[in-house]
Amino acid sequence: GENVEQHPSTLSVQEGDSAVIKCTYSDSASNYFPWYKQELGKGPQLIIDIRSNVGEKKDQRIAVTLNKTAKHFSLHITETQPEDSAVYFCAAIMEYGNKLVFGAGTILRVKS
Amino acid sequence: NAGVTQTPKFQVLKTGQSMTLQCAQDMNHEYMSWYRQDPGMGLRLIHYSVGAGITDQGEVPNGYNVSRSTTEDFPLRLLSAAPSQTSVYFCASSSPRGFRGRPYEQYFGPGTRLTVT
Repeated sequence: GENVEQHPSTLSVQEGDSAVIKCTYSDSASNYFPWYKQELGKGPQLIIDIRSNVGEKKDQRIAVTLNKTAKHFSLHITETQPEDSAVYFCAAIMEYGNKLVFGAGTILRVKS
Repeated sequence: NAGVTQTPKFQVLKTGQSMTLQCAQDMNHEYMSWYRQDPGMGLRLIHYSVGAGITDQGEVPNGYNVSRSTTEDFPLRLLSAAPSQTSVYFCASSSPRGFRGRPYEQYFGPGTRLTVT
């Protein structure tokens, strides 16, 4: 089955700097890769996703890149703000699959 | 819309007790799922449903049962609670356009924090 590894487990950046979180997946049949943000005491919230026919997707300060050959995808947050501090999860799923597999999560701290 | 609601928010059980975690959504979503979240392990799928009357096992189904008699509700039953089931439980639902019954663009509930002593 699918296995998703996420790095780093914790990341501290200065406000205004960029943050990058990386994930690798094992199943080459995976074709949907979402990123979720979880604030303290809340459920995860989808912030951006990408499908395998796209190499990069942007939404304001966040972007996701996908390299299907290397089987990895990354989340990029530019001009970080204190409200970006949260736990971020990547995930992957096979085409026609029913089970989303999550990475272990990254704790992002933005220092002001 | 209330989105995905979960009750209770907190629960303490003794080993061997049973209970049901409630999950409801008012978005007419077909796909619903239960995850548990443990430190350093991300979210692990317990059970899921692609529609009323259809359920299947996820990654860690042992000790849990589910049913889906309506589109709106997807309760999770702990049959005989064990300390290893101490965790935070999240229910999620989705029904993305063009991907019926797939866990794309999932909406998560606020979670239930369960402690088993």
